[in-house]
Amino acid sequence: AQRVTQPEKLLSVFKGAPVELKCNYSYSGSPELFWYVQYSRQRLQLLLRHISRESIKGFTADLNKGETSFHLKKPFAQEEDSAMYYCALGGNNNTDKLIFGTGTRLQVFP
Amino acid sequence: DVKVTQSSRYLVKRTGEKVFLECVQDMDHENMFWYRQDPGLGLRLIYFSYDVKMKEKGDIPEGYSVSREKKERFSLILESASTNQTSMYLCASSYRGGLYYEQYFGPGTRLTVT
Repeated sequence: AQRVTQPEKLLSVFKGAPVELKCNYSYSGSPELFWYVQYSRQRLQLLLRHISRESIKGFTADLNKGETSFHLKKPFAQEEDSAMYYCALGGNNNTDKLIFGTGTRLQVFP
Repeated sequence: DVKVTQSSRYLVKRTGEKVFLECVQDMDHENMFWYRQDPGLGLRLIYFSYDVKMKEKGDIPEGYSVSREKKERFSLILESASTNQTSMYLCASSYRGGLYYEQYFGPGTRLTVT
């Protein structure tokens, strides 16, 4: 069965510290992985997708098929990174549905 | 700029009432989704529609139904609201035909059932 696991409900760091938000997935096919973010009082929005191999707002995520992981990383956290982050999995044929994880709240203290 | 709008930001209903949540998108997207967002449970898909009058059950469809009579509008219906349906409801839309296309979300409707 498809599953997305985000083991941390809350991650607290100080400004300038490195950040790693963990995401593990379970999927037998070829996965498509995404990170979505929700800032306070804003709507949920796409942060990045693994297929694009992009860096957005200093965040990167590498798909590791051996470890079935797609961890989100940033070398130096900023206060404005404080938000709720969701990892999402797709990849079923003939469907555009995503499975979301339970989310990790990132708090960056000054 | 993609716009996904939801009819209400906050809604308070009584147990047993029939509740309609409306979602409208203006980007001609084929796909539309309804999710519940609950702390500790993340986003869970209630229903998905990939075309007018077409729908698929998501992970938690019990107690809900949907209607898609026009491409731009996707309605979520709670036939008889119960307290365990108190939640944040998010609507989203996307183009069909590939997960490369991101889902665009509405602002959410916070529903309280008393």
